[in-house]
Amino acid sequence: DTEVTQTPKHLVMGMTNKKSLKCEQHMGHRAMYWYKQKAKKPPELMFVYSYEKLSINESVPSRFSPECPNSSLLNLHLHALQPEDSALYLCASSQAQGREKLFFGSGTQLSVL
Amino acid sequence: AQTVTQSQPEMSVQEAETVTLSCTYDTSESDYYLFWYKQPPSRQMILVIRQEAYKQQNATENRFSVNFQKAAKSFSLKISDSQLGDAAMYFCAYHPTRGGPNFGNEKLTFGTGTRLTIIP
Repeated sequence: DTEVTQTPKHLVMGMTNKKSLKCEQHMGHRAMYWYKQKAKKPPELMFVYSYEKLSINESVPSRFSPECPNSSLLNLHLHALQPEDSALYLCASSQAQGREKLFFGSGTQLSVL
Repeated sequence: AQTVTQSQPEMSVQEAETVTLSCTYDTSESDYYLFWYKQPPSRQMILVIRQEAYKQQNATENRFSVNFQKAAKSFSLKISDSQLGDAAMYFCAYHPTRGGPNFGNEKLTFGTGTRLTIIP
């Protein structure tokens, strides 16, 4: 199984809503990543988890709250988002942090109204 | 800091023809990895090809090959016998080797992308 699975595929939320994005992998990878991608732009790194601990936070606003409950699962909790947060959110994993081969999920397309 | 530059925002090619996408990068490291990722309308980032900087031989994957010029810091992607399924956004990316001065902060740096259209 070489897949990274993200749910939901699409999400529409209001600025007062709370929602969560989910990412799962069963490759035994110990590093997991969240990226944000605006239309026609490259992905931008948001967070890196290594062995279930937050390793890198790229100065992301606190309305985005990551969580890594176990080595296979990564969540991104969303609260009080702004319309400019509308984007594709991609999850990725690698064997360990610093390993260059990343496996990407197909993303969650988020629209904030 | 490393930077990756893709100077061609859009390219098009006739089906069955060959096209080359350009990428340059800047780094002070001597060992690193370079990648081409493809992102079709399905949005998933798909690894097309990977090059290790210490290897002089250019990487090849079926119809995809690279021209890696380390001294010039250039890493172009050649797609031969273009097919309709090759239509996508292509991102060039750089990743440092694990450890060294970047230890604990190794990140994948993407270029701005090239949108490739295949003309039937």
